[in-house]
Amino acid sequence: QSALTQPPSASGSPGQSVTISCTGTSSDVGGYNYVSWYQQHPGKAPKLMIYEVSKRPSGVPDRFSGSKSGNTASLTVSGLQAEDEADYYCSSYAGSNNPYVVFGGGTKLTVL
Amino acid sequence: QVQLQESGPGLVKPSETLSLTCAVSGYSISSGYYWGWIRQPPGKGLEWIGSIYHSGSTYYNPSLKSRVTISVDTSKNQFSLKLSSVTAADTAVYYCARGLSSDHWGQGTLVTVSS
Repeated sequence: QSALTQPPSASGSPGQSVTISCTGTSSDVGGYNYVSWYQQHPGKAPKLMIYEVSKRPSGVPDRFSGSKSGNTASLTVSGLQAEDEADYYCSSYAGSNNPYVVFGGGTKLTVL
Repeated sequence: QVQLQESGPGLVKPSETLSLTCAVSGYSISSGYYWGWIRQPPGKGLEWIGSIYHSGSTYYNPSLKSRVTISVDTSKNQFSLKLSSVTAADTAVYYCARGLSSDHWGQGTLVTVSS
């Protein structure tokens, strides 16, 4: 039950787009359409940004989008804004007979 | 709106049992959803601990399964976490959340394991 793999850091200038990857296996990311993405600012609880690969909860700007190809899921932030600077975590449903949830190690997004 | 609030001791001695409760308001646990616990060691990433369905079915992180018990009290609209035989490695901010996609989170509570 290894953690999902995310790059430790990503960056972009205001207005640009940035994509963060989340790589798992056929037993988690590749096997189910239950990938979620969370944004976490320092000292705050995580906030759900994307669920079921590409769905946005109410109130999340459409600048945030999600996708998946094979065992890799991606979060794209378009039109970067200063307030997007945060840690981002992916998670995926995993297992079949004994279901569980696995998180990625997190990506620090810096807005230059 | 849905709100979750963790409560419990902030300091636990090594080898003892960590106990936390999550009080839910704005939504009845009996109405559905999984209800879970997630933790974050200082300066590190998120780790899923486990979840319980409103019916009582539980699912645990395989790496913690032998030490974890999650239970639900629908009459009080709350659910609880017990983690036994704790060590310093269990020091973390513990969050409760709704759903396997965790659409609502508590503010988190820091639990330190130390003698």
